[in-house]
Amino acid sequence: GIQVEQSPPDLILQEGANSTLRCNFSDSVNNLQWFHQNPWGQLINLFYIPSGTKQNGRLSATTVATERYSLLYISSSQTTDSGVYFCAVGMNYGGATNKLIFGTGTLLAVQP
Amino acid sequence: DTGVSQDPRHKITKRGQNVTFRCDPISEHNRLYWYRQTLGQGPEFLTYFQNEAQLEKSRLLSDRFSAERPKGSFSTLEIQRTEQGDSAMYLCASTSRDRAVNEQFFGPGTRLTVL
Repeated sequence: GIQVEQSPPDLILQEGANSTLRCNFSDSVNNLQWFHQNPWGQLINLFYIPSGTKQNGRLSATTVATERYSLLYISSSQTTDSGVYFCAVGMNYGGATNKLIFGTGTLLAVQP
Repeated sequence: DTGVSQDPRHKITKRGQNVTFRCDPISEHNRLYWYRQTLGQGPEFLTYFQNEAQLEKSRLLSDRFSAERPKGSFSTLEIQRTEQGDSAMYLCASTSRDRAVNEQFFGPGTRLTVL
């Protein structure tokens, strides 16, 4: 099955710093999503980005599908950005059901 | 658009008891997924419904687990004879019937604790 690796596993930032989170995956996919999991466990959709680049405020993401990686950029980090960031990939061609395969996450702590 | 809802949000039960969770997907979504997340891990796929048909089940879904989506709307996940290892967050997600659009939206989850 598809393998999804995220790096770094943990990250500590000072408020205002920028960061880049990486997601590598082992096979062609047609779904890639970035999530932020809040302290109550809710998965919040950040980006649906099977390819290309998107931006939403201080966050942006780039997926290079041919090279099987995606990057999540966080600029001017705030304490509210703290939490776990997950990358997840899926396929829905060839009869696949688009189930998401999640990485192990990046635990981000932003200190004031 | 009210999003995916799950009920209950928390469930504490004793080992050996049966529990049932409910998921209501986004109203126009016909594809529904169940996932399980244990502490420190990412969510893992359990099962998938397209309308009322259960089209895929993970090896994680032992014979003590059963899921239904009888009218193609809400879904239930039942765990019989619960074990301490079943303690986890159970997450439901849904996505559009348009197979060109695959973004999944998650509910708040049901946190199960088996004593």
